[in-house]
Amino acid sequence: GQNIDQPTEMTATEGAIVQINCTYQTSGFNGLFWYQQHAGEAPTFLSYNVLDGLEEKGRFSSFLSRSKGYSYLLLKELQMKDSASYLCAVRDRGYSTLTFGKGTMLLVSP
Amino acid sequence: NAGVMQNPRHLVRRRGQEARLRCSPMKGHSHVYWYRQLPEEGLKFMVYLQKENIIDESGMPKERFSAEFPKEGPSILRIQQVVRGDSAAYFCASSPLPGLAGLYEQYFGPGTRLTVT
Repeated sequence: GQNIDQPTEMTATEGAIVQINCTYQTSGFNGLFWYQQHAGEAPTFLSYNVLDGLEEKGRFSSFLSRSKGYSYLLLKELQMKDSASYLCAVRDRGYSTLTFGKGTMLLVSP
Repeated sequence: NAGVMQNPRHLVRRRGQEARLRCSPMKGHSHVYWYRQLPEEGLKFMVYLQKENIIDESGMPKERFSAEFPKEGPSILRIQQVVRGDSAAYFCASSPLPGLAGLYEQYFGPGTRLTVT
């Protein structure tokens, strides 16, 4: 079966760094995605990893270890607007569908 | 360059009525995916379509739910005889033609929030 785990909630302070972990057990693997979703809005794409290692994109970085079934999203210099749900998703069936975790609700406080 | 469009944004139906949700993919995208998001739950895949073809409907409930993506016009997710448990946010996503490798992330629409009373 497919199983993607991530923490339910996290809190952090403005200007700090936060790491959101994601572990997965899926029948196949063809890429791991991170999306950001503000309440009542559409998920927006943040990052993509298909090979092991770190991908950096401005204040956001994502890491993947395929042997461990593990990824994390690193957010630096946190801003209030980063308060949102962060969704980890694995593309496990060919090149199409995504299996999502339940999301991690991040609350950034002043 | 318009993004993925969904309408209506909010839909209220009484139990037993039909709900029709529409999705227009981004320009140049030929692949459409439908997901359902229940309160406090993650996005759950429902169906994957290309023009005039259902590629993967393994996430669709066996009864009352159907989807199409005609040659012309938007993709339609149809829910017949709605029940209270169908109340959820329904998101559509689109992507360009997947290749042998590459990103091809899915771009999500704003969603349709269905409330069944």
